[in-house]
Amino acid sequence: GAGVSQSPRYKVAKRGQDVALRCDPISGHVSLFWYQQALGQGPEFLTYFQNEAQLDKSGLPSDRFFAERPEGSVSTLKIQRTQQEDSAVYLCASSLGTQETQYFGPGTRLLVL
Amino acid sequence: GENVEQHPSTLSVQEGDSAVIKCTYSDSASNYFPWYKQELGKRPQLIIDIRSNVGEKKDQRIAVTLNKTAKHFSLHITETQPEDSAVYFCAARSNGGSYIPTFGRGTSLIVHP
Repeated sequence: GAGVSQSPRYKVAKRGQDVALRCDPISGHVSLFWYQQALGQGPEFLTYFQNEAQLDKSGLPSDRFFAERPEGSVSTLKIQRTQQEDSAVYLCASSLGTQETQYFGPGTRLLVL
Repeated sequence: GENVEQHPSTLSVQEGDSAVIKCTYSDSASNYFPWYKQELGKRPQLIIDIRSNVGEKKDQRIAVTLNKTAKHFSLHITETQPEDSAVYFCAARSNGGSYIPTFGRGTSLIVHP
């Protein structure tokens, strides 16, 4: 079946622009996670959804970051007024439940100039 | 919170040799330890995982060992092949309390033909 998909795969933004990153999880997966992966680093947790409820957003680095999953399937990560330090790969992962294996999407590579 | 250390950061081996990557964790409540392989520009993919009620798990050329007392776990790849070249990430997660996995910083494995 189809895996986790993300779009766009690449995004170049000028500093100060707003961006929106989309994640389509595996159908039926209740849990959805967003991670930020800096170059040469492991994924760092940003936020977590169970269905449409955002249960944990402790990893969001600032109030410029906002995530939603209004119907419990597709999720969007929005970054307002992008800064150069926001440049990274943003990974989405989904799982059947919190204790199940996470399956990652291909990521969105964001470059802020 | 959990802290995961991963070593080495880079590992270079000849085709056919074995490769070992080691991780340590800090939270004694962690009881699930997945390993992901990430090829350049691609998504992290789960290759093997182990739960705390098991000391070792094997899948063909890949094995993972866990020492809960010492709080460390290792990935072993035997008879390495050039297609094993990738970045490998370990992670640790608790099934109670925080369900968010903490990742190591990754090991870049290079297998020379």
